[in-house]
Amino acid sequence: RKEVEQDPGPFNVPEGATVAFNCTYSNSASQSFFWYRQDCRKEPKLLMSVYSSGNEDGRFTAQLNRASQYISLLIRDSKLSDSATYLCVVIRDSISGYALNFGKGTSLLVTP
Amino acid sequence: ETGVTQTPRHLVMGMTNKKSLKCEQHLGHNAMYWYKQSAKKPLELMFVYSLEERVENNSVPSRFSPECPNSSHLFLHLHTLQPEDSALYLCASSQVQGNSPLHFGNGTRLTVT
Repeated sequence: RKEVEQDPGPFNVPEGATVAFNCTYSNSASQSFFWYRQDCRKEPKLLMSVYSSGNEDGRFTAQLNRASQYISLLIRDSKLSDSATYLCVVIRDSISGYALNFGKGTSLLVTP
Repeated sequence: ETGVTQTPRHLVMGMTNKKSLKCEQHLGHNAMYWYKQSAKKPLELMFVYSLEERVENNSVPSRFSPECPNSSHLFLHLHTLQPEDSALYLCASSQVQGNSPLHFGNGTRLTVT
C-alpha cells in the first residue's frame, strides 16, 4: 500500500459549488500534514497546514481524522481560479527516520 | 532575497552537453531536495540532503549528479542526458526538525534535444 494516496480526479465542478478531497495515509506514526496547490507548469505552493483540531482559511477548511488516517480539504464557493492540482503531504519523523511523502494530487476544474 | 531561488528558469541542452542547475535557499532550512516532474505526471523525488549529507537517492541514473556544498546551496549536475529527461526540475527546502513543510523554487524547465 502506498504511503499517501489521493483520488486523481479530475473533479469537474461548477462555479460556486462546494467540493471536498480526501487523502489517506498508511503510517499511523505520521505527524504533520499539509495541502499544496500546483498550477499547470508551476511549482507546488503551500496552501495550508492541517491541524488536529481542524483549521479554516477563508473558503478552505482542512481536517485530520487520525482514527481513519485521512486528511480532507473542503473548498466552498468554488472560483474559476481554484482550478489546479491539490497535493497532500504527510511527514513522519520518528526513531526509524524522517519521511516526507507527497500524494500524486487531485485535479480540480471549476467551470463557469 | 527570500525563499528558494532556482537558476536557470529554462534550459535547452543537447545530449552531449554538460550543464548544472543551481538552487539557493534563504530560509535557514537544513534540508534540500531535488524533484523531477514530467508532463502531467506526479512529483518524483530524486535526491534529499539533510544537514548537507545525502540521505536518499531514489535510484536516479548516474547522469544526474547532485552536490550540496552547504546548507543554503544545492546543485544538480547534468551530463549525457536523454530526451526523456526533459521535465520540470524543482528544488525545495525544509527544516527537518519540527516537521515543517517544503518550500519550492520556481523550477527549471529542461528540454533535452
